[in-house]
Amino acid sequence: DTGVSQNPRHKITKRGQNVTFRCDPISEHNRLYWYRQTLGQGPEFLTYFQNEAQLEKSRLLSDRFSAERPKGSFSTLEIQRTEQGDSAMYLCASSARDRGPRGYTFGSGTRLTVV
Amino acid sequence: AQSVTQLDSHVSVSEGTPVLLRCNYSSSYSPSLFWYVQHPNKGLQLLLKYTSAATLVKGINGFEAEFKKSETSFHLTKPSAHMSDAAEYFCAVSGEGNGGSQGNLIFGKGTKLSVKP
Repeated sequence: DTGVSQNPRHKITKRGQNVTFRCDPISEHNRLYWYRQTLGQGPEFLTYFQNEAQLEKSRLLSDRFSAERPKGSFSTLEIQRTEQGDSAMYLCASSARDRGPRGYTFGSGTRLTVV
Repeated sequence: AQSVTQLDSHVSVSEGTPVLLRCNYSSSYSPSLFWYVQHPNKGLQLLLKYTSAATLVKGINGFEAEFKKSETSFHLTKPSAHMSDAAEYFCAVSGEGNGGSQGNLIFGKGTKLSVKP
């Protein structure tokens, strides 16, 4: 197992387009988290899944954002009608249920640039 | 509600001198606290974590941090800086188990560490 994998690493899109990112967690981890990191800021929590259930969503996750984790394995984060303010690094992390953030492993992130 | 304040946005040290990165937290409950490092265009790597065991926590690459409840601090130190330590460092607190968000982390804004030769 090579850790948490995120694809693509970089994405440049025009304003108004839709984008989708993928996160493949560590296989035995049943919790999966999405964070957003804008320039000069720390990561901010967006949402998390336990298995396939989305258990919490931050107020940062507007109607244009949707996340899924079918079958409790990989997860996708889709942003519809992108705006320049969506430009950020999107980070995924996974952990085992009984570890929570004490057992986080982060992926390398997807950097989104909206032009 | 939990929060984290990193007191310095940028710290510059010379190679071989001590490093001190400051972090204060606010939490209504006994917190779990973390330090992460992020190199340019990379994800976050855990340096160390405090989870209510020993108050002096040793991490990777010679870093350590001390939990001081009376001061609500969790400062990160290293006796001797190396050029490879130049990166951004994030302090984070977990609210796990307090009825709030289950398992998410609340991060500070980060401290950029520069190491001069």
